[in-house]
Amino acid sequence: AQKITQTQPGMFVQEKEAVTLDCTYDTSDPSYGLFWYKQPSSGEMIFLIYQGSYDQQNATEGRYSLNFQKARKSANLVISASQLGDSAMYFCAMREGNFNKFYFGSGTKLNVKP
Amino acid sequence: GAGVSQSPSNKVTEKGKDVELRCDPISGHTALYWYRQRLGQGLEFLIYFQGNSAPDKSGLPSDRFSAERTGESVSTLTIQRTQQEDSAVYLCASSPARVDEQFFGPGTRLTVL
Repeated sequence: AQKITQTQPGMFVQEKEAVTLDCTYDTSDPSYGLFWYKQPSSGEMIFLIYQGSYDQQNATEGRYSLNFQKARKSANLVISASQLGDSAMYFCAMREGNFNKFYFGSGTKLNVKP
Repeated sequence: GAGVSQSPSNKVTEKGKDVELRCDPISGHTALYWYRQRLGQGLEFLIYFQGNSAPDKSGLPSDRFSAERTGESVSTLTIQRTQQEDSAVYLCASSPARVDEQFFGPGTRLTVL
C-alpha cells in the first residue's frame, strides 16, 4: 500500500482564494510526522509545515495550515489567500516513528490564476 | 548561512559509464539524505546517514548504487554502469540532530544517453 497518497495531480485556484491540497497517509506506527514541501519550477524543495502525530493543535505557518484528521489519516494543506507565487508542485511526506525514511507522495501541481 | 550544495548541477553521461554526485550538507547537520526524483514524480528515498551510525541503505534500487559519507561532512553518491532509467534529478538533504525538517540542495540533474 502507498504510504502517502495525493489524489489531485493538478489544481487550479483563483488568486486571493483559499485552496486545499489533499493528502492521506498509511501507517500503523503511533508516532509519525507529516510534512508539506513546495517545489517551484526551479526545482528547489521548500519546507512549508510540519505536524507531529501527537500534536493536539493543527499546525499553522503564515498562510499555510495543516488540517490534521488523525482518525481519517489525512493531512490536507490549506493555503489561504493564494498568490501567483504559490504556483508550484506540492508534496506531502511522512516520517514513521524512529525510522529514517521519509515517504513522499506523487505531488499536486497547483496553478494560481490571476 | 550557506545552504546544502550539490555538484555538478547537471551531468550528461553515456550508458555504462560511472558517475559520482556530491553533496555538501549544512555545517553541523548530522543527518544526510539522498533522494531520486524522476520527471514528474515524487521523491524516492535512497539512503540516509546519521552521524557515525551505519547508514540506512534500504532505498538503494540496485547494487550499482552506493554512497559514502565521512563523519558529518561531504557525501558522494556513485552510480556504476549507468542505465537510461537512472536519468533523474538526485536531491540531497540535511537536517540537524533530532529535528525533522530537511533542508534540500538544488539537486543534480543526471541524463544518461
